[in-house]
Amino acid sequence: NAGVTQTPKFRILKIGQSMTLQCAQDMNHNYMYWYRQDPGMGLKLIYYSVGAGITDKGEVPNGYNVSRSTTEDFPLRLELAAPSQTSVYFCASRSDSEAFFGQGTRLTVV
Amino acid sequence: GEDVEQSLFLSVREGDSSVINCTYTDSSSTYLYWYKQEPGAGLQLLTYIFSNMDMKQDQRLTVLLNKKDKHLSLRIADTQTGDSAIYFCAGLGGMNRDDKIIFGKGTRLHILP
Repeated sequence: NAGVTQTPKFRILKIGQSMTLQCAQDMNHNYMYWYRQDPGMGLKLIYYSVGAGITDKGEVPNGYNVSRSTTEDFPLRLELAAPSQTSVYFCASRSDSEAFFGQGTRLTVV
Repeated sequence: GEDVEQSLFLSVREGDSSVINCTYTDSSSTYLYWYKQEPGAGLQLLTYIFSNMDMKQDQRLTVLLNKKDKHLSLRIADTQTGDSAIYFCAGLGGMNRDDKIIFGKGTRLHILP
């Protein structure tokens, strides 16, 4: 009954460091998404995938990369962390109808 | 492009009904969603409606869809303090019609005693 699992829950990065935010789903969903939510704001789409091997840019892709080698996993990579990437990151997966979110990764870049 | 609009704030007295409204631009959205986000938490899927439906009811929640006006509403009956949260309206959109989930900015529901 896991649904969408994100790791880590919290992370502090120094400027210029890199890291990978992990996202895994166990519902065999084709669609997966990465969003960021800045304080007091709505959600902005970073990248999404409509199936294994296929990824597309959302509205704010700069500074991020993704891969989708399996149906289950959709990691988000930050190569050179910048303070502007301080945010809460949410991963989601979707069947044809229902869409479920993970609990988020709170990232601070200092 | 696709857009989803919501009012930012709503205050309601405990026990009254809350109605949160949303308008969207992509008339081809097949599914429309309502999510609830409590402070410091993730997004909880409350309910969703398929575009060929006008209404969906689930316990205290009623969703109304007016496709002609591209208007979606969420009614919460007998509003309780635990309903205090941000509510996001979202719809499917994108070049292939149903690949992206497009979110509104969220409506903060405040419950008055």
